[in-house]
Amino acid sequence: GEDVEQSLFLSVREGDSSVINCTYTDSSSTYLYWYKQEPGAGLQLLTYIFSNMDMKQDQRLTVLLNKKDKHLSLRIADTQTGDSAIYFCAEIPSGAGSYQLTFGKGTKLSVIP
Amino acid sequence: ETGVTQSPTHLIKTRGQQVTLRCSSQSGHNTVSWYQQALGQGPQFIFQYYREEENGRGNFPPRFSGLQFPNYSSELNVNALELDDSALYLCASSPGQGRLNTEAFFGQGTRLTVV
Repeated sequence: GEDVEQSLFLSVREGDSSVINCTYTDSSSTYLYWYKQEPGAGLQLLTYIFSNMDMKQDQRLTVLLNKKDKHLSLRIADTQTGDSAIYFCAEIPSGAGSYQLTFGKGTKLSVIP
Repeated sequence: ETGVTQSPTHLIKTRGQQVTLRCSSQSGHNTVSWYQQALGQGPQFIFQYYREEENGRGNFPPRFSGLQFPNYSSELNVNALELDDSALYLCASSPGQGRLNTEAFFGQGTRLTVV
């Protein structure tokens, strides 16, 4: 199948770290992505990782990739109320063209002040 | 602000009707992809247009069709609307084949409600 799996909800206190997990399906996926969607808005690309990397850090964001388990995670350090949104994990499966993304159902992050 | 604009922002249609949604791509981008996002779900890939040709299609019936124009703007047409077509329709613009998806930008979407 082509299901990208994510937990649906995560609640954290402001200032804590958030970790959002994802299990993807295609071990041949070259790139894996994290998108953010705020209420009533489109999708914003947060970060991405190449499949030959284990980790990528970008300011408060850290992506960890475990290719053996097809597991991807997004850690947000010092989570702020402005980080409240839905976060989508996405892959481009092998055989799909460029930009033809397969998304998970999204994880709704709620930040408690 | 991504430079990708979609119109209209909201739309209400009756079951059985036809609808056309529009997307203006970012300057310099020749590829447009369309996604359907039902409430509480992740976006689902509908199809993609590259230089006015369909370049890949997801698991959607033929009543979902599209066009891309010489200026690379695009339309999504849905015939014989069904209640389950109610969703947010997202357009993504990107600079072309062989380039990273990191350069793809999404519009704000069109919220379609079928009653």
